[in-house]
Amino acid sequence: EIVLTQSPATLSVSPGESATLSCRASQSVRSNLAWHQLKPGQAPRLLVYGASTRATGIPARFSGGGSGTDFTLTISSLQSEDFAVYYCQQYDTWPRSFTFGPGTKVDIK
Amino acid sequence: QVQLVESGGGVVQPGRSLRLSCAASGFTFSTYALHWVRQAPGKGLEWLALIALDGSNINYADSVKGRFTISRDNSKNTLYLQMNSLRAEDTAVYYCVREGGLEMGPVPPFDHWGQGTLVTVSS
Repeated sequence: EIVLTQSPATLSVSPGESATLSCRASQSVRSNLAWHQLKPGQAPRLLVYGASTRATGIPARFSGGGSGTDFTLTISSLQSEDFAVYYCQQYDTWPRSFTFGPGTKVDIK
Repeated sequence: QVQLVESGGGVVQPGRSLRLSCAASGFTFSTYALHWVRQAPGKGLEWLALIALDGSNINYADSVKGRFTISRDNSKNTLYLQMNSLRAEDTAVYYCVREGGLEMGPVPPFDHWGQGTLVTVSS
């Protein structure tokens, strides 16, 4: 099973600042890595897939990078609505199974 | 727009069964693979099961294999999760998730989520 680790566990950021979240896979997942945003009481939202492609309707301040085992999600100029928990997810395994990282909580400094 | 609405959650005793439903709208249901994912209180996300667009391919996480059954009714635009022999550790919010189409690449990601339904297993 592919294990994903995320760092840091919590990131305290002031509005307007940028934040960089990391995700590391225990083995290569090529570019089959997505980032999802979770807020309490809301449906989770896909932000980035294919490691670096923004999903439809996602603002340009969200950018993903990396391939293989090391990935990043950068949020530039954080807005109030960006304070949430972010999960990376790999979807590379065959037979198909899927794993998530433990999440990074981005909260207000 | 794409909508996925889960229902069927509630409080159930250990060892009992529960069936979750997910009503879909806003897209051609029969042309997308679907998944169930859960989040236990204070924990992260856990993928549970996948069903191909015509139900021909199904796969489960080891944690629920043999106890949970995923199915779909393309005539009703509805996804199901039959959960048997429930345990306290099955307490979680259960999400219905759509897998994207091939326009998102040869290996599509999860692209739309429902808001979830809470299942509490407790005596």
